[in-house]
Amino acid sequence: QVQLVESGGGVVQPGGSLRLSCATSGFSFSSFAMHWVRQAPGKGLEWVAFIRYDGSKKYYADSVKGRFTISRDNSKNTLYLQMKSLRLEDTAIYYCTKDAGYSSSWCMDHWGQGTLVTVSS
Amino acid sequence: SSELTQDPAVSVALGQTVRITCQGDSLRSYYASWYQQKPRQAPILVIYGQDNRPSGIPDRFSGSSSGNTASLTITGAQAEDEADYYCHSRDSGGNHVLFGGGTKLTV
Repeated sequence: QVQLVESGGGVVQPGGSLRLSCATSGFSFSSFAMHWVRQAPGKGLEWVAFIRYDGSKKYYADSVKGRFTISRDNSKNTLYLQMKSLRLEDTAIYYCTKDAGYSSSWCMDHWGQGTLVTVSS
Repeated sequence: SSELTQDPAVSVALGQTVRITCQGDSLRSYYASWYQQKPRQAPILVIYGQDNRPSGIPDRFSGSSSGNTASLTITGAQAEDEADYYCHSRDSGGNHVLFGGGTKLTV
C-alpha cells in the first residue's frame, strides 16, 4: 500500500532553516507529481509547493516563494522541502501528498501523517 | 478570483442528506476535489473529478458541479461523517493549488 512518511520537523528560530523529507513506498514514485501542503494550528489547509514527476517543473505558493525549495530524488523515492528564512507564520504541520495523476486536476490521493514545524524564539 | 469559498459550518440530522458547497472562478476550468479531515488526522480524498470516489469511500458520498460551484453531497449521513471538509482545485492560471476554508460538518 502507498506510504508517505515525513520527517525533519522541529523547533527553529525565526530566520532559521529546516529540511523536511518524505520517504515513500508502495507506488512508482518517479511516475507521479508530488506536493507539500501545510496546516497551521487550528487553521485550514494551505498548499505550499508542487513538483512534476521528473522534477522539471516546480511551483510555489506566493507565501513561500523565494524561501522554500521543493525537490525530489527518484532513485531514493524521497521528496524534500528545504525551508529558509523561516517566519513565525510558517508554524504548521507539513504534509507530503501524492498527486493522483487524474486529468491534470492536481488532486491528492494520498497524504502522509505530517511533521510539525514550530518557528519560535 | 483566486479563492474557493465554503460555508464555515453545516449540520445535519443522522440519516439525512447534506450538501456542502464550494464557489470559485477556478471551478469553471478545473474539477473540484473534496477532502475529509477528522481531528488529529491527516486529510483523506473522498471525491475527485466529475464524481469519482477513491477505493474505500462509501457510496453515500457524491460530487457535482455547475458553473462556478461544486458540491459534495452525503446521502444518509452517519455519525462517523462528522469532520471538516475541504474543497480543492487548481487555480485559473494552472500553476497554483487552491483550498477552500473548510466546512465543519456536525451530525
